[in-house]
Amino acid sequence: QQKVQQSPESLSVPEGGMASLNCTSSDRNFQYFWWYRQHSGEGPKALMSIFSDGDKKEGRFTAHLNKASLHVSLHIRDSQPSDSALYFCAASNSAGNKLTFGIGTRVLVRP
Amino acid sequence: DMKVTQMPRYLIKRMGENVLLECGQDMSHETMYWYRQDPGLGLQLIYISYDVDSNSEGDIPKGYRVSRKKREHFSLILDSAKTNQTSVYFCASSYRANTEVFFGKGTRLTVV
Repeated sequence: QQKVQQSPESLSVPEGGMASLNCTSSDRNFQYFWWYRQHSGEGPKALMSIFSDGDKKEGRFTAHLNKASLHVSLHIRDSQPSDSALYFCAASNSAGNKLTFGIGTRVLVRP
Repeated sequence: DMKVTQMPRYLIKRMGENVLLECGQDMSHETMYWYRQDPGLGLQLIYISYDVDSNSEGDIPKGYRVSRKKREHFSLILDSAKTNQTSVYFCASSYRANTEVFFGKGTRLTVV
């Protein structure tokens, strides 16, 4: 079983719309979460981290973490065609050197 | 410019041949990683290196070995490549625990 599960597998949103991605961990040792984005032909690049309960906003991106349920979400406001990519949720424990990735959510922003 | 560089970007090898994937970083990061990416499986950790000659197995180390003789350089070696090792391999590095992991652009390896 994947320790980091993402949903949905894919998502299509209109330009200017809101995209919502979900991630759940099955390992209570995972307390540190990241969102990474990967454009076609490139390596993943970190979007943002979230280590505390609640919301964290960076520009058009907002992450929300609920440590009790080990659930983290990412919301992309005012989606742009350049946001079309594969989005990974990743988690680590307090030692923090080993990131475990989910399978990813493919986001397509329709012009 | 903070960068992780992987060579080569594309590689085709025959089954049974040895494969060397090379990676360099210019950020003086202590920790380096090798991941592979396959459709439907996400990114899987092969090996992690905490510094020169300080390497640990990741989640899928079987069939791979690594070498790190200089802090800025980390190699992945496949001895006698198998067709199921066809994948995209990513090298990455990070400054310390729970900090951003920087990825290279990947090497697409095809074993025929």
